[in-house]
Amino acid sequence: DAGVIQSPRHEVTEMGQEVTLRCKPISGHDYLFWYRQTMMRGLELLIYFNNNVPIDDSGMPEDRFSAKMPNASFSTLKIQPSEPRDSAVYFCASRSGLAGDQFFGPGTRLTVL
Amino acid sequence: SQQGEEDPQALSIQEGENATMNCSYKTSINNLQWYRQNSGRGLVHLILIRSNEREKHSGRLRVTLDTSKKSSSLLITASRAADTASYFCATDPGGNEKLTFGTGTRLTIIP
Repeated sequence: DAGVIQSPRHEVTEMGQEVTLRCKPISGHDYLFWYRQTMMRGLELLIYFNNNVPIDDSGMPEDRFSAKMPNASFSTLKIQPSEPRDSAVYFCASRSGLAGDQFFGPGTRLTVL
Repeated sequence: SQQGEEDPQALSIQEGENATMNCSYKTSINNLQWYRQNSGRGLVHLILIRSNEREKHSGRLRVTLDTSKKSSSLLITASRAADTASYFCATDPGGNEKLTFGTGTRLTIIP
């Protein structure tokens, strides 16, 4: 298995632009998580899905952030419009079952100028 | 504040020495997990210890859990340069399916 796949690996954009981050979880995993990591705030859970359904989006910072999971093999995290304070590394992770370890993707480093 | 707080925030030791990192948490848990993150990479799961376990081993890793003190420790024996990374604890309260990660310990192994 190729593991969790994220794209792009790096994204540089200007303030106000729309940003879309993509994630392909490990095949067969029924949970998908989106995290954001910054030096100041550490690793924050933004939202997670179970069987493609959003379960908890309480970590989504603002309405500018949205996430979808149209099928079991694909999820997107969209920021519209982007702001400089959104600059961070965004990780996607997946897991099989209710408890146990999560498998992380390599992350997308987002820089908003 | 975060559910998991690692201590120390940073640790530098000589190669071959043992490294100990601690994690404290606030609420009851179903299990506690430790992850490693190399610079510029995603987190990698190391070990999981359940609330009814007190100690667990995996290779050079030893994890202890004291639920009465709401704390856990990760011991890496005979450290190697490749162990240089940040280490995070994550608590799973059970039921609500999500982990809460601590602030991490940055470990540097000096060759």
